[in-house]
Amino acid sequence: AQKVTQAQTEISVVEKEDVTLDCVYETRDTTYYLFWYKQPPSGELVFLIRRNSFDEQNEISGRYSWNFQKSTSSFNFTITASQVVDSAVYFCALSEESNTGKLIFGQGTTLQVKP
Amino acid sequence: GAGVSQSPSNKVTEKGKDVELRCDPISGHTALYWYRQSLGQGLEFLIYFQGNSAPDKSGLPSDRFSAERTGGSVSTLTIQRTQQEDSAVYLCASSLWSREPQHFGDGTRLSIL
Repeated sequence: AQKVTQAQTEISVVEKEDVTLDCVYETRDTTYYLFWYKQPPSGELVFLIRRNSFDEQNEISGRYSWNFQKSTSSFNFTITASQVVDSAVYFCALSEESNTGKLIFGQGTTLQVKP
Repeated sequence: GAGVSQSPSNKVTEKGKDVELRCDPISGHTALYWYRQSLGQGLEFLIYFQGNSAPDKSGLPSDRFSAERTGGSVSTLTIQRTQQEDSAVYLCASSLWSREPQHFGDGTRLSIL
C-alpha cells in the first residue's frame, strides 16, 4: 500500500536557521514520483519539486535542497538560512506509475519562521 | 498565463442541499484532479480525468459525490444531499499529462450548516 509519513507536525525556527523537513514513503512500485508542495497562509498549494524514482541525485534550488535516498525511502527537504516568508505548511506527496498520477499526501509539516 | 480557476471561493449551504463546484483548468492541460482538504483527513484524492479516458473515481467517499468534465476542459464536482462531514476545502488541480506536476487552484471552502 502507498503511504507518505511526515512525522514532524510543527517546527519553529528563528530566521537564518537551517531547517530540514522529513518525508518517508511506502510503495510497491519500482517507478514512482515524489513531490513537495508549499501551502502558505493564503491557501494555494504551490509546486516545489518532482523527482522520479530512478534519479537519486540531490537537487538544490537557491536556499532549497532535497535529499532523496531510496535505501531509507526518504525524500527530505532542507531550507538554508530560513526567512519569515518560508512560513507555511509543507506537503510531501507520492505518485505511482501504476496509478493515475493521483497524489498521496503526507499530513504536512507546519513551519514557522520567527524574525 | 492563467492558472487553475475555481468557483465559488466560498460556499455556505444547509444540510441536505445539493452543491456544485466548478474548476477551469490551465489551458492545454489534459489531466484534471479533485482533492479535498479537511482538518481531520488531510489532503485526499477524489477523482481524476484524463482526456477521453474513463475517470478514476476511486477516491469519491460516497455515491452522493459525482463529477464530470465537459469537452475535456471545465469540470464540475457535485455533492448531493450535503452532510456536515462534507465541510472542507475542495481543491482542483491540472497537469499537462498524468504524473506531471499538478498545479492547484485556490479551492472552494464549503461549509455545511
